[in-house]
Amino acid sequence: EIVLTQSPGTLSLSPGERATLSCRASQSVRSTQLAWYQQKPGQAPRLVIYGASNRATGIPDRFSGSWSATDFTLTISRLEPEDFSVYYCQHYDRSPTFGQGTSVEIK
Amino acid sequence: QVQLVQSGADVRKPGASVKVSCKASGYTFTTYDINWVRQAPGHGLEWMGWMNSASGEVVYAQKFQGRVTMTRNTSTSTAYMELSGLRSEDTAVYYCARGRTGVRPFELWGQGTLVTVSS
Repeated sequence: EIVLTQSPGTLSLSPGERATLSCRASQSVRSTQLAWYQQKPGQAPRLVIYGASNRATGIPDRFSGSWSATDFTLTISRLEPEDFSVYYCQHYDRSPTFGQGTSVEIK
Repeated sequence: QVQLVQSGADVRKPGASVKVSCKASGYTFTTYDINWVRQAPGHGLEWMGWMNSASGEVVYAQKFQGRVTMTRNTSTSTAYMELSGLRSEDTAVYYCARGRTGVRPFELWGQGTLVTVSS
């Protein structure tokens, strides 16, 4: 089973700052099967990035995804108030797994 | 409108079973897989299994093997997830999510169903 480890657990930043979230896979994964989700309190998760670097429908271009080998990164270039949420990475193969999440909170 | 609408909150006693429904609308139900994901209070997302809506093929996470059953009714475009042998640790919000195994991520989610296990 592939294990996804996200870091940091919590990111404290101010609006307008850049957020960099990391997701490391325990073994090689297809970049085409790596996604990021945003979840706000009391809501279902929302797809943000799929295929490691493709923005989902309606996601603003301040969100971007990249990767190198087993290290995947979600970057939010300039944080808006609505971006403060929990973010999960996911490997969506035949047995999907999620990372444990990174909380982006207002500093 | 493309959406997944789940059944309402439920309270069950330890040892009982619960069956959550997920009704799809706005798209061809059999074109996508339905996944089930749960989230215990204050915790992260946990994948439980997926079902091919066309064939009924299922793959369950090892943790839930023997306790979970996923089914569907194609005539009503509804997927079901039944969890048996409930214990307090099963208290969680249960989500259905549409995807295509190995190809497409979970693009569409239901609103979630809170299942509380309490004596």
